[in-house]
Amino acid sequence: ETGVTQTPRHLVMGMTNKKSLKCEQHLGHNAMYWYKQSAKKPLELMFVYNFKEQTENNSVPSRFSPECPNSSHLFLHLHTLQPEDSALYLCASSQGSGGYTGELFFGEGSRLTVL
Amino acid sequence: AQTVTQSQPEMSVQEAETVTLSCTYDTSESDYYLFWYKQPPSRQMILVIRQEAYKQQNATENRFSVNFQKAAKSFSLKISDSQLGDAAMYFCAYRSSQGGSEKLVFGKGTKLTVNP
Repeated sequence: ETGVTQTPRHLVMGMTNKKSLKCEQHLGHNAMYWYKQSAKKPLELMFVYNFKEQTENNSVPSRFSPECPNSSHLFLHLHTLQPEDSALYLCASSQGSGGYTGELFFGEGSRLTVL
Repeated sequence: AQTVTQSQPEMSVQEAETVTLSCTYDTSESDYYLFWYKQPPSRQMILVIRQEAYKQQNATENRFSVNFQKAAKSFSLKISDSQLGDAAMYFCAYRSSQGGSEKLVFGKGTKLTVNP
């Protein structure tokens, strides 16, 4: 098992669809993150979860709804998205509070296309 | 808010040569951490090297080294003896010393091409 696994790798959806992205980490970490990666833009932090509690919501539109049922799993629920939401969505994990290493461990990303 | 600027959208280097990628950042903090991450095509982003701001000595990891100029708020990455496998997007990132999670601020990235 790789450290951080994201599914699906590719997703095409219409603006009225509802879909979910899944992230699972096998590293025993306590913090998980969603980042949005768009071409020619810096990675945008969307959400941070520490010990299953959301500690950061970076003014993300409500059409993106995160869920963290436990420290190993993170979901991003998508509904009524816009074409400008098309991007690579990266999940990452880290040791979290009290266990600083400065390192994020990333998944390979989910490439989302909104038609 | 902190910002990270990578002024070189693309760079290229000949195999076995040396290349330097630039990064500047803006912060009012005195203690922080800086990183370079590598994202190969269609593969996971991985940490290349990190630097603690309180350390004067520049970090090195094998062929990768940094030139950290705290007063100038500059943090460049030098890749020596470039290899084909070094071809990737490189992202500079900043982390505040405050807070418990690794919330990083990234630059836009530099695409590095290695020519055989």
